[in-house]
Amino acid sequence: NAGVTQTPKFQVLKTGQSMTLQCAQDMNHNSMYWYRQDPGMGLRLIYYSASEGTTDKGEVPNGYNVSRLNKREFSLRLESAAPSQTSVYFCASRALAAGGPDTQYFGPGTRLTVL
Amino acid sequence: SQQGEEDPQALSIQEGENATMNCSYKTSINNLQWYRQNSGRGLVHLILIRSNEREKHSGRLRVTLDTSKKSSSLLITASRAADTASYFCATDYAGKSTFGDGTTLTVKP
Repeated sequence: NAGVTQTPKFQVLKTGQSMTLQCAQDMNHNSMYWYRQDPGMGLRLIYYSASEGTTDKGEVPNGYNVSRLNKREFSLRLESAAPSQTSVYFCASRALAAGGPDTQYFGPGTRLTVL
Repeated sequence: SQQGEEDPQALSIQEGENATMNCSYKTSINNLQWYRQNSGRGLVHLILIRSNEREKHSGRLRVTLDTSKKSSSLLITASRAADTASYFCATDYAGKSTFGDGTTLTVKP
């Protein structure tokens, strides 16, 4: 199993450009998450999808959109990139099934720089 | 703002010593989890403690939870240079996790 994969690993954009970050998991998890991590800080939730077909805003959703394409894939789109969106982006998934608590599994991250 | 806040922000110890990190939070939780992050990498889950548990052990890790004080601590015993990393607590509620800003631990050989 590959776990959680993210593409690309690195990206440099100019202000105003758009791009989509891809995330896929092969663990049959119900829930998927997108976080951003700024230097010296913890993760902040951008959007999440509790189950296939649903998406909800997290703590910092402005400037982003998401698509839960199917149970495996959850993409994050920046429509018009801004320098304030320079960050490392992490995707995560968790089973979140009935029966008890469980943990999140994280992808390796996408390092995005917006000039 | 972040739900969890770690203390201290940075900790430097000698190999073999114990390291203690604390986490405080503000609202109700279902569970609290601790994660580790090596520089430039994703987060790796260490341990989960449920809101009705008070203490949990995993290898050299010991986690306590005091829901009356809304605080948790992570103890790493007999530290090794390989334990050098950032450690984050995350509170779980309604299927979402909220992370603190982390404690950066440096273990000197």
